[in-house]
Amino acid sequence: LAKTTQPISMDSYEGQEVNITCSHNNIATNDYITWYQQFPSQGPRFIIQGYKTKVTNEVASLFIPADRKSSTLSLPRVSLSDTAVYYCLVDGRNTGFQKLVFGTGTRLLVSP
Amino acid sequence: EADIYQTPRYLVIGTGKKITLECSQTMGHDKMYWYQQDPGMELHLIHYSYGVNSTEKGDLSSESTVSRIRTEHFPLTLESARPSHTSQYLCASSEGNNEKLFFGSGTQLSVL
Repeated sequence: LAKTTQPISMDSYEGQEVNITCSHNNIATNDYITWYQQFPSQGPRFIIQGYKTKVTNEVASLFIPADRKSSTLSLPRVSLSDTAVYYCLVDGRNTGFQKLVFGTGTRLLVSP
Repeated sequence: EADIYQTPRYLVIGTGKKITLECSQTMGHDKMYWYQQDPGMELHLIHYSYGVNSTEKGDLSSESTVSRIRTEHFPLTLESARPSHTSQYLCASSEGNNEKLFFGSGTQLSVL
């Protein structure tokens, strides 16, 4: 099961773009990369998932280089409500691992 | 968005009591999960289920037990609660491999 490493915390200001990078050196061929967001006292919420190159939705973009050993979550023009913990996960459930393992996450603090 | 429900939202009980944390989803998902999370810490998978009559232990050893008699219902039971069981318990479900997880709002358990 591929382990992920991401910064413990990041600070930003409203209106800025935030990029959170995650490394997953042992990612397997069939693994997907998924990001979740968690607010205090709530369950995590799915943000975005990708396999390679770039994925964009209404909330964020996910950049994955060709070697797939890292990924970057990009949040455009953050607001105070984006203050949360962001988890990078390698989803290996397609290869028989019926588990999704969350790491320590990145605490993002957005200030006015 | 998520049709997954956990009850109770908060529970304070005394040591030695038997408790059951309820989790139900109306999305018809086969896969369901229980995670345990202490404040400010990462989520740990304690139980998961592929479907009816299928349950497996997760990465973190837990004294709790689960059952999956119906697709929509995945209750977690502690036969004799102890202060060390004080934590937040999060239930989740997904449709299949590589599909996103939907989380409930969690049960905050305090054992005195």
